[in-house]
Amino acid sequence: EPEVTQTPSHQVTQMGQEVILRCVPISNHLYFYWYRQILGQKVEFLVSFYNNEISEKSEIFDDQFSVERPDGSNFTLKIRSTKLEDSAMYFCASSDGTGTVNYGYTFGSGTRLTVV
Amino acid sequence: LAKTTQPISMDSYEGQEVNITCSHNNIATNDYITWYQQFPSQGPRFIIQGYKTKVTNEVASLFIPADRKSSTLSLPRVSLSDTAVYYCLVAFGDSGGYQKVTFGTGTKLQVIP
Repeated sequence: EPEVTQTPSHQVTQMGQEVILRCVPISNHLYFYWYRQILGQKVEFLVSFYNNEISEKSEIFDDQFSVERPDGSNFTLKIRSTKLEDSAMYFCASSDGTGTVNYGYTFGSGTRLTVV
Repeated sequence: LAKTTQPISMDSYEGQEVNITCSHNNIATNDYITWYQQFPSQGPRFIIQGYKTKVTNEVASLFIPADRKSSTLSLPRVSLSDTAVYYCLVAFGDSGGYQKVTFGTGTKLQVIP
């Protein structure tokens, strides 16, 4: 079964530093997403990306966040100046846009970001 | 997107059948009902999806009544490895293209030996 791959699995960074979280979506998928989950809380939508531009973003996704698809395979989330409250699991997801979410919407295993 | 309501937590003994019910009173005509499973420190994983009546796969069954205002995920003979959070989601089915999946709080299932 195709997978969404995320690296690194765990990232520790100092407050104020920039971090880049990387994702390799499923190869024939067209839509890409970032979600986050603060420990003990629900999974929250951050941003969606299609055709090399953001299609929707949440209020969480402020100017400190940016996304990029630098080549044909990677999808990255950058946090420019991390804050303590950015500590969370960050999940990348991709979908093929065929309509239903049945097997068309797949999550990666996540990157645990710890800001100290 | 239709809002969903499901129990916050459930306990079950190993080997029992577990039924988790989700209500979605405002479900739209083209919405599908999808259930995800999430283990600690892992991404959500698709379990099953349906539109109406009953759907069964190798992992679970999904029962959807005619009015589609609720759905029940049924896990047969649970084991300790089924301990996880289960999310019920309602999302656009046949609109195609972009879909934002919105998670609720989910149901934390604890399987007891």
